[in-house]
Amino acid sequence: GAVVSQHPSRVICKSGTSVKIECRSLDFQATTMFWYRQFPKQSLMLMATSNEGSKATYEQGVEKDKFLINHASLTLSTLTVTSAHPEDSSFYICSAQGQTNEQFFGPGTRLTVL
Amino acid sequence: AQSVSQHNHHVILSEAASLELGCNYSYGGTVNLFWYVQYPGQHLQLLLKYFSGDPLVKGIKGFEAEFIKSKFSFNLRKPSVQWSDTAEYFCAVNGYGGSQGNLIFGKGTKLSVKP
Repeated sequence: GAVVSQHPSRVICKSGTSVKIECRSLDFQATTMFWYRQFPKQSLMLMATSNEGSKATYEQGVEKDKFLINHASLTLSTLTVTSAHPEDSSFYICSAQGQTNEQFFGPGTRLTVL
Repeated sequence: AQSVSQHNHHVILSEAASLELGCNYSYGGTVNLFWYVQYPGQHLQLLLKYFSGDPLVKGIKGFEAEFIKSKFSFNLRKPSVQWSDTAEYFCAVNGYGGSQGNLIFGKGTKLSVKP
């Protein structure tokens, strides 16, 4: 199957700093990428959907100015957590969807904000 | 709003036991249904999916699921589990025909299989 990578896999930062997470589709072109957030013992919650070359669509309750999403190419989407706070600590997972309409998930990024 | 509920948080079985994980959803329209598996330290993988047709869907690794529209259910089954099936299983649904956009996930069921 198709491969999706995320970088970094784990990041620890100080409160108030910004963190960028990359999501790449390695062997296919992803017209759509999704960003999810997963709290311990909770399900994945969709944060936003991004289509290449256009603005991301955010789910209700997700602050677009805090979670900046850029989908500049068909193989790369980035999520920037701006001015991170401890409550932003979570597991962030991206997925990529190509022409088959199937979503392929990345391995996730564990963010810890001190 | 769509929602997905998985009845069991943690299931512990011995090898060769049969497995059934419950999944119920709430949505009034046409749905697409999915089961994903996440092995320890690995990313989510699609186990099987239902879009239309035969409500009994067969997936990888001997898993199957049955869509019962009247019960809004899509339970996952396997006749005989193996130690390697130890993982977390997520049921997901979307109400958009033909696409996997906007998946709504259940909270997951952790399966532990004792050798």
